[in-house]
Amino acid sequence: QSVLTQPPSASGTPGQRVTISCSGSSSNIGSNYVYWYQQLPGTAPQLLIYRNNQRPSGVPDRFSGSKSGTSASLAISGLRSEDEADYYCAAWDDSLSVRVFGGGTKLTVL
Amino acid sequence: EVQLVESGGGLVKPGGSLRLSCAASAFTFTNAWLSWVRQAPGKGLEWVGRIKKKTDGETTDYAAPVKGRFTISRDDSNNTLYLQMNSLKTEDTAVYYCTSYYYDGSAYSHWGQGTLVTVSS
Repeated sequence: QSVLTQPPSASGTPGQRVTISCSGSSSNIGSNYVYWYQQLPGTAPQLLIYRNNQRPSGVPDRFSGSKSGTSASLAISGLRSEDEADYYCAAWDDSLSVRVFGGGTKLTVL
Repeated sequence: EVQLVESGGGLVKPGGSLRLSCAASAFTFTNAWLSWVRQAPGKGLEWVGRIKKKTDGETTDYAAPVKGRFTISRDDSNNTLYLQMNSLKTEDTAVYYCTSYYYDGSAYSHWGQGTLVTVSS
């Protein structure tokens, strides 16, 4: 049972816009930054979004993050086949004094 | 190109110990916060713990399942991160990734390729 809740799966067709949600609480998302990671099949994760809505150098602007209260979202526009991957949200939890991850969302491009 | 390379994984019996290393190259290692994240076979990511940079006190934090059994340390002179794992349990079986995070107005994050630790009798 993950502290942050994500839907286990999401899907879309090429060119579509999809969103992945991440729900937490006041001790994690509600009071700390949210980070998003992409894990392509068979590879290590990589940082996709930091500090709620910032993209590291090299990440396409098709990827965007947002946060409101105790929830966050990752949006992918102009969906491509290479976006098929697992996506994880993460945040620091002040009550537990640990970093917590969501359970991950498997994105399928139909 | 920044690289993080883990080593030290393998098969160990329950109750045994293992030390993982993560060698870093081509980035400002001393200014980065370093973490270990693991992924059990077919499962999601699980944070293991972190060590802050020296100027932030080089303090450590650990996830509850490993607290008291695992120790994270760093050697900035050799750009190496360590994870000492004692009293290993079958549920510690996972791929272990080392990660770095450095922020100076922009974020720089890197992950190693992972090393598999299997705890089994």
